[in-house]
Amino acid sequence: EVQLVESGGGLVQPGGSLRLSCAASGFTFSRSWMHWVRQAPGKGLVWVSHINSDGSSTNYGDSVRGRFTISRDNAKNTVYLQLNSLRAEDTAVYYCASDKGYAFDIWGQGTMVTVSS
Amino acid sequence: QTVVTQEPSFSVSPGGTVTLTCGLSSGSVSTSYYPSWYQQTPGQAPRTLIYSTNTRSSGVPDRFSGSILGNKAALTITGAQADDDSDYYCVLYMGSGIWGFGGGTKLTVL
Repeated sequence: EVQLVESGGGLVQPGGSLRLSCAASGFTFSRSWMHWVRQAPGKGLVWVSHINSDGSSTNYGDSVRGRFTISRDNAKNTVYLQLNSLRAEDTAVYYCASDKGYAFDIWGQGTMVTVSS
Repeated sequence: QTVVTQEPSFSVSPGGTVTLTCGLSSGSVSTSYYPSWYQQTPGQAPRTLIYSTNTRSSGVPDRFSGSILGNKAALTITGAQADDDSDYYCVLYMGSGIWGFGGGTKLTVL
């Protein structure tokens, strides 16, 4: 079965850090670009970050650049998102998604990150 | 900064046809933006409907179609059904490794 499973979300204080993981199965992960997308409660979807298939190229949205880092381990079929210097406005469900034709193809179920004191 | 625009809300009668659009605050959408469309119901992950302007994702019924209409990307739903009542998002590839979501359209089927 083709799937993505996120983990690592939780409650963290402002200024804190968290690492999200997304485990892939059922498709050739090592050839796939990957993305992270987030959705604040009651709000729309926002693209967060992208990584190419071998991890040599990464990109970020304006609101997270310099604070978040995307990476991947193709041996473990896993993509990561390191979240540093967290703010209340980073509170959201974080989805990972695979890329197909410059679009998002397979989606995970999401993991909730809450930034609050 | 260029913003991706969508209608905030739309309504359609069961069995009817509706076209949602996806534009830019500055400029025109073309196939070079690789427009894609997603459906999301409350509490669920998004579902991919259309990518590369007009290619349906696996398992998506052919009553969903994508196109370029004038200076915007468009998603047309023909023969709307009750379970099409959802939020719809478009995404454009802005170039240089940057993607942009529209604000979403809340479609009501009634």
